[in-house]
Amino acid sequence: DVKVTQSSRYLVKRTGEKVFLECVQDMDHENMFWYRQDPGLGLRLIYFSYDVKMKEKGDIPEGYSVSREKKERFSLILESASTNQTSMYLCASSLVTRQNYGYTFGSGTRLTVV
Amino acid sequence: RKEVEQDPGPFNVPEGATVAFNCTYSNSASQSFFWYRQDCRKEPKLLMSVYSSGNEDGRFTAQLNRASQYISLLIRDSKLSDSATYLCVVNREGYSTLTFGKGTMLLVSP
Repeated sequence: DVKVTQSSRYLVKRTGEKVFLECVQDMDHENMFWYRQDPGLGLRLIYFSYDVKMKEKGDIPEGYSVSREKKERFSLILESASTNQTSMYLCASSLVTRQNYGYTFGSGTRLTVV
Repeated sequence: RKEVEQDPGPFNVPEGATVAFNCTYSNSASQSFFWYRQDCRKEPKLLMSVYSSGNEDGRFTAQLNRASQYISLLIRDSKLSDSATYLCVVNREGYSTLTFGKGTMLLVSP
């Protein structure tokens, strides 16, 4: 089975801190994604990447950046954390050529910014 | 019209009941459709893909109506363990990215 691992299950950070969320997948998937999930708003796409060093903005990229230096690793960076970035962050990966394959998600990082 | 719309529920059903969820999508060019299941405070997990001819996986049946742009999920003989939120998911034209509905909550009671 594909495994997507997120480095932290729970994080508490202070306003203004730079925050790194790490995601690693072990099945050589080309595509990787970062979503956040909030009650009543569902999953919203922040950034995605089709290949190493490639990145594309999703629907809500403001306040975030990403890094993909290796195929298996996709990092989400909160440049200066704010309280409105308190959320559940979900990383996912998929094969680029199999449209009916869907995504595999990591178990999520619940980030609280105080 | 929102990209993917679902009735948020909750749907409260007794064990053994049959329950159906519908979902509508706005992009007529969408090609890939899925149902995901999400348990409380867990990540979404792929339940099943939805194919044009309809498909079944055990107690679960998915249907796609392209003309009306809706997708359905039928659960027969509901189990307590089916209690979860069910997310309708559709791809975006030209991209491998998926758009998720906000989900329909199902509660199965003894």
